[in-house]
Amino acid sequence: TQLLEQSPQFLSIQEGENLTVYCNSSSVFSSLQWYRQEPGEGPVLLVTVVTGGEVKKLKRLTFQFGDARKDSSLHITAAQTGDTGLYLCAGDKTAGNKLTFGGGTRVLVKP
Amino acid sequence: DAGVIQSPRHEVTEMGQEVTLRCKPISGHNSLFWYRQTMMRGLELLIYFNNNVPIDDSGMPEDRFSAKMPNASFSTLKIQPSEPRDSAVYFCASSLWDIPYEQYFGPGTRLTVT
Repeated sequence: TQLLEQSPQFLSIQEGENLTVYCNSSSVFSSLQWYRQEPGEGPVLLVTVVTGGEVKKLKRLTFQFGDARKDSSLHITAAQTGDTGLYLCAGDKTAGNKLTFGGGTRVLVKP
Repeated sequence: DAGVIQSPRHEVTEMGQEVTLRCKPISGHNSLFWYRQTMMRGLELLIYFNNNVPIDDSGMPEDRFSAKMPNASFSTLKIQPSEPRDSAVYFCASSLWDIPYEQYFGPGTRLTVT
């Protein structure tokens, strides 16, 4: 059982549609990160959320940290083919270095 | 600025052989992490270093795996002897000590053990 559960595992949508990816846990995290990984490359950090209830926007991407700091969501508005990739959430439980990664959501945006 | 550098990018070896993966972290970063990624298990932390000192190696699968960081700009992950179940993509990542949760990943080494 993953400490961080991501859903859905796979999402296929048409360009221009919206999508939401979820990252849930029964544990409290000091911070939570979202990464995007493209084939043949390493994960790239998109955002870090630290405060419960925090909302961060990165162009068409909106990230939210749950009030209890146990869950997070990533919403993409008007998806583009360039948004295709594996989205990973990662949590830091102890304000230390060790991150726990979710299983990932594979997003495919079709033209 | 150069990102995290890993070599080789691809490695194919036979079961029983020794494999050495290499990593150069981002200059100025003082934390370094080794991860393994597979379809079945996702991204798993193997070991991490702070200021060249191994802090947590609880993710290292077994004694066949070892990691070193002789200086701030170089780390190795060694598998000896290698087994087919070690086939995976191995990533190195680095971060600043005071922002430890923001990690920057290298491009990975795809290891295939036949």
